[in-house]
Amino acid sequence: GEDVEQSLFLSVREGDSSVINCTYTDSSSTYLYWYKQEPGAGLQLLTYIFSNMDMKQDQRLTVLLNKKDKHLSLRIADTQTGDSAIYFCAESMNNAGNMLTFGGGTRLMVKP
Amino acid sequence: DSGVTQTPKHLITATGQRVTLRCSPRSGDLSVYWYQQSLDQGLQFLIQYYNGEERAKGNILERFSAQQFPDLHSELNLSSLELGDSALYFCASSVTGVAGANVLTFGAGSRLTVL
Repeated sequence: GEDVEQSLFLSVREGDSSVINCTYTDSSSTYLYWYKQEPGAGLQLLTYIFSNMDMKQDQRLTVLLNKKDKHLSLRIADTQTGDSAIYFCAESMNNAGNMLTFGGGTRLMVKP
Repeated sequence: DSGVTQTPKHLITATGQRVTLRCSPRSGDLSVYWYQQSLDQGLQFLIQYYNGEERAKGNILERFSAQQFPDLHSELNLSSLELGDSALYFCASSVTGVAGANVLTFGAGSRLTVL
């Protein structure tokens, strides 16, 4: 089975907050990442968090990490139509060559 | 423009054929990664090279091979193609070796269609 899991789909209204969730299984994850993929494009790094941190905020983005429950979330404040995309969480582990393992992606649809 | 260049952008070929996908990493990045993105399998890690040497292998089929050249560009060779190989193939590059946050920069991908 997948090491990193995400729900498939999320729909929100413009101006609302979006929360995209991710669970991972390997407690030795060192860093956790959020990437965004717009239609027809490659993945773009949004933010990452070190595993000993609980929270990281960057403008409209807030990442929360619950290491006990192996749960990562990405909150997008004041969601805009331009935020419509697929969002991938990923983990890396220093003891695995620092390779990234991605979740299946969550498609965010923002309705005007 | 991410700085990672992939060619070709689109490729249509027939079953049994062989294709080569090319990737030029971002300037200064020593690591190159190849990922396959398909609808049913999601984003699957294939292989990583670091400064010309193979560093890690993922779910890469024996029909597939890759290499990284002295100028750090990489090629992914796909042979004896099957319908199920139709997918988006992404190349990504990063600076880091095995420590620190591994920030990958992705190319725009090469879309392969096998008919």
